[in-house]
Amino acid sequence: GQQVMQIPQYQHVQEGEDFTTYCNSSTTLSNIQWYKQRPGGHPVFLIQLVKSGEVKKQKRLTFQFGEAKKNSSLHITATQTTDVGTYFCAGLGDFNKFYFGSGTKLNVKP
Amino acid sequence: NAGVTQTPKFQVLKTGQSMTLQCAQDMNHEYMSWYRQDPGMGLRLIHYSVGAGITDQGEVPNGYNVSRSTTEDFPLRLLSAAPSQTSVYFCASSYSPNTEAFFGQGTRLTVV
Repeated sequence: GQQVMQIPQYQHVQEGEDFTTYCNSSTTLSNIQWYKQRPGGHPVFLIQLVKSGEVKKQKRLTFQFGEAKKNSSLHITATQTTDVGTYFCAGLGDFNKFYFGSGTKLNVKP
Repeated sequence: NAGVTQTPKFQVLKTGQSMTLQCAQDMNHEYMSWYRQDPGMGLRLIHYSVGAGITDQGEVPNGYNVSRSTTEDFPLRLLSAAPSQTSVYFCASSYSPNTEAFFGQGTRLTVV
């Protein structure tokens, strides 16, 4: 079946360092979405990528969708304590089903 | 707007009991879905619906039923609760699979 793998599972960084999380799918995706979940909270939508090779930026966050539409990454430049949380990718596969990655939990030390 | 409303927020069930988790949205969204979240496993799709009267199975549908009689409501039924169904359940809605999804606050379910 379809799967979306996400690495790393955990990342501890010093405030000001960069952070990257990666998603890989076993099959081609129609789109990929990224969500952030704060501890004890619910996932909150960050962005959606649709086109092959697409790159989008939101302030310190850069999102990429691979050329084959099978992988994606989220890069945060100069992390801040407000970036703490778990970041999930979610790929839209066959039959309008979303497949979430297992998430990367980011901890930022001040 | 209330967005996506899930009830209850917490629930403890005994093995074998049944219950319904409620989900309602007031954004006129066609696409609604249920996920369960377990430590280290992300969110796994249980069931989803692309519109009223239409439902389909996700990755982990066993032990759960859904129906979609209206656009607004998408209840999730646990037929006979098992300890393996202890989890946090999220309902989500969006205009379509290609648009931003809005999640409810979640239901923390414990089956003893």
